[in-house]
Amino acid sequence: DTEVTQTPKHLVMGMTNKKSLKCEQHMGHRAMYWYKQKAKKPPELMFVYSYEKLSINESVPSRFSPECPNSSLLNLHLHALQPEDSALYLCASRQVGGNTIYFGEGSWLTVV
Amino acid sequence: RKEVEQDPGPFNVPEGATVAFNCTYSNSASQSFFWYRQDCRKEPKLLMSVYSSGNEDGRFTAQLNRASQYISLLIRDSKLSDSATYLCVVNPPGSNYKLTFGKGTLLTVNP
Repeated sequence: DTEVTQTPKHLVMGMTNKKSLKCEQHMGHRAMYWYKQKAKKPPELMFVYSYEKLSINESVPSRFSPECPNSSLLNLHLHALQPEDSALYLCASRQVGGNTIYFGEGSWLTVV
Repeated sequence: RKEVEQDPGPFNVPEGATVAFNCTYSNSASQSFFWYRQDCRKEPKLLMSVYSSGNEDGRFTAQLNRASQYISLLIRDSKLSDSATYLCVVNPPGSNYKLTFGKGTLLTVNP
């Protein structure tokens, strides 16, 4: 079982809704990531947090807003999404200086 | 040249077969290399890191050729449970550990 926990596992939201995806890890990892994955495509990096500070934003539209309230938690706030934003959203974490990135099981998002 | 390129696949092999996946990367200064496995509708999971001297884990052997900027994964005596998408992953230098994924190669092992 993955040690990175994501909730909810499935989310259906309308284009005017505001929702959030949550990610939690208790491995003491200080680097955390959000990836987006569409069907039959590899994961695409969205954001990287290092020591709770945003260090990489891969030119993600502002309708996606990340937040890292503490070293164990990572949120992705969603507002005014488009149907093409429907995808699997993967959270991941890594020990700074370590080699291995651990992925959560992902949140399946459908925008209607 | 794309950052990470993999065999397009798909690969369909019988149980017990040996199958090899190849991957090339564009940034010669890349330091870290991995093979991840992703089952249908699941998250990617680390299969193996790839070391310069090559490394083996049971039926799986990974090789790195820095001169050719080439990574390979060999699966021997393939099992039905090996059916998955195999992702070649590279960590380019100076990237704050931003992984670059290949498009993945789908493997189906048939009984």
